Amino acid sequence: GIQVEQSPPDLILQEGANSTLRCNFSDSVNNLQWFHQNPWGQLINLFYIPSGTKQNGRLSATTVATERYSLLYISSSQTTDSGVYFCAVADPNFGNEKLTFGTGTRLTIIP
Amino acid sequence: NAGVTQTPKFRVLKTGQSMTLLCAQDMNHEYMYWYRQDPGMGLRLIHYSVGEGTTAKGEVPDGYNVSRLKKQNFLLGLESAAPSQTSVYFCASSSGGHRETQYFGPGTRLLVL
Repeated sequence: GIQVEQSPPDLILQEGANSTLRCNFSDSVNNLQWFHQNPWGQLINLFYIPSGTKQNGRLSATTVATERYSLLYISSSQTTDSGVYFCAVADPNFGNEKLTFGTGTRLTIIP
Repeated sequence: NAGVTQTPKFRVLKTGQSMTLLCAQDMNHEYMYWYRQDPGMGLRLIHYSVGEGTTAKGEVPDGYNVSRLKKQNFLLGLESAAPSQTSVYFCASSSGGHRETQYFGPGTRLLVL
């Protein structure tokens, strides 16, 4: 099946800093989603971004499908941004109904 | 809108016991999913459904069964719980399968002793 790797695994930043999270995937995909899991465990969808760039407030994401990677940018970090960020891709070898998740990047924002 | 809800929130089972986890969504979504989340492994798909009355196996289906008798509900059953099934279980739904955003429930924490 498709492999999804995220980097870095852990990131600790001061409030106000910017960050870039990376997601690499091993095969062509037609679906990529970014999720945020907050410290209470709730998973929130941030972006559905199979290609191109999207922005939502302080967050933006870019997927370069031909080079098999996606980036999530967080600007002016706030403590509420803490948590684990997952990217997930649809596995074309599984009828595209299976989302394969990366192991996540744990982001800690220090006040 | 409540979105996606899960019951129970937390449960402790003894090895060999059975239980059912309930997922409900009020967004009229066709697609529903059950995942498990284990430390350091992200989320893995257990079973999914593409509509009322349909179910399909995911990545890690062994030891679980599911049913989708009503469009808004997706049940996950453990017939004989094992310690390896200790995990956090998440339900999700979407309107259009992999082409659409998935919305997740708050999770059920299960401990099998």
